Formats: sequence, structure tokens, C-alpha cells
Amino acid sequence: AQSVTQLDSHVSVSEGTPVLLRCNYSSSYSPSLFWYVQHPNKGLQLLLKYTSAATLVKGINGFEAEFKKSETSFHLTKPSAHMSDAAEYFCVVSDRVNTGFQKLVFGTGTRLLVSP
Amino acid sequence: GAGVSQSPSNKVTEKGKDVELRCDPISGHTALYWYRQSLGQGLEFLIYFQGNSAPDKSGLPSDRFSAERTGGSVSTLTIQRTQQEDSAVYLCASSSFTGGDADTQYFGPGTRLTVL
Repeated sequence: AQSVTQLDSHVSVSEGTPVLLRCNYSSSYSPSLFWYVQHPNKGLQLLLKYTSAATLVKGINGFEAEFKKSETSFHLTKPSAHMSDAAEYFCVVSDRVNTGFQKLVFGTGTRLLVSP
Repeated sequence: GAGVSQSPSNKVTEKGKDVELRCDPISGHTALYWYRQSLGQGLEFLIYFQGNSAPDKSGLPSDRFSAERTGGSVSTLTIQRTQQEDSAVYLCASSSFTGGDADTQYFGPGTRLTVL
């Protein structure tokens, strides 16, 4: 079975500084990987996804993630944090249970705090 | 176009009562998923519908939980004889099942259920 580990439960940065949210995955085959963001009292919004087309994936709001098979990592980065980036971020792997069924397996989440 | 919608946004009920939660997926999406997000358990898969196929109920925590999907569109998640441990945010997602975006699930805003 697939799994993901988010290495930090909380990350604090200052506005304008880089963001790094770490994620390691476990997969028996080439996985589909996602980052979702959840703002307070909101649903989950897709930031970006990796599906083997390119190892560096660009998402919305200036976020990007790099798939590194040798390190089984899929870390999320952003060059310059904005106050509006404060939210909970989930690293997710897709576990294909049977034909067509993509069960999402979520990490425990990383809360990003951005200070002025 | 319109995203996934869920109703109600908040539901408060008394222990032992039955509740129904509704999900309206993105138009044209044939796959529909229910997840539960709770403090102690994180995000858990509950049930999956694809077209007219039998649903995958492998994530339902007990026989008090059931779901149906009428006409391949709207879905209702029913919890009978609610317990306090059922308190959580219930999230619905849909995906297109085919094409390049088939593995991307789009989430609704969720229903926050509180069992007193």
C-alpha cells in the first residue's frame, strides 16, 4: 500500500522568505502525487500534481514541487511566502485499488504559519 | 463551471439521531468519493462511486454509515444512530475518471457534523 509522511507538523516563516514543506512517499510503483491546501473552514484545493510527465511540477500561486525518485521525496516549495499562504498543506499519494479507482492516501498535514 | 457543492455546511445533531449529508459533484464527473476529516484520524476515505458500478464501501467505519448515488450524480451519505465520535468534517470529491485529468479529485467545502 502507498503512504506519505509529512515530516513537519508546523512550519513558520516570515513573509517574503522561502517556503519548504517536506514530504516522503512509499510506493511499490510509479505513483501519482499531489499537494492540496486547506484554508481555515474551507475545502481542499489542488495545488499541483505529479503524474510522471516531468519531475519538476509547477502549481498555482507560485508553488512548485520536485519528484525525486532516489530520495522518495516530493517536497513543496515557494520562493517567497505571502500572508495568504497561511494554511494547512497535505501531501497525497494516489493508491490505485482496482481499475479506475484512485483512493487518495493523505499525509497528516503541515500547518504553515506566515508572520509579517 | 460550478465546483463540488455540499449541504448543509454545518449540522448539529443529538446522539442517536440519523443525519443525511448531500453532495452534488461537478457536472460530467462520473467518479464520486466521500472522505472524513477528524482531529484524531486525519483524512480518511469512506466510499467511492463510479458510474453505475457497485460502490467500493471498504472505508465505511461501521454499518451505521451508508451512501447512495442517484442517477449517477447527487450522492447522500447517511449516518444512523449518530455517536459523538462521528463528529467530523465530511468531504465529498469528484473526478472525471477518463482523460488526462482522471486522477485529480476536486473537493467540496465539506459538511461539519457535530454530535452532542
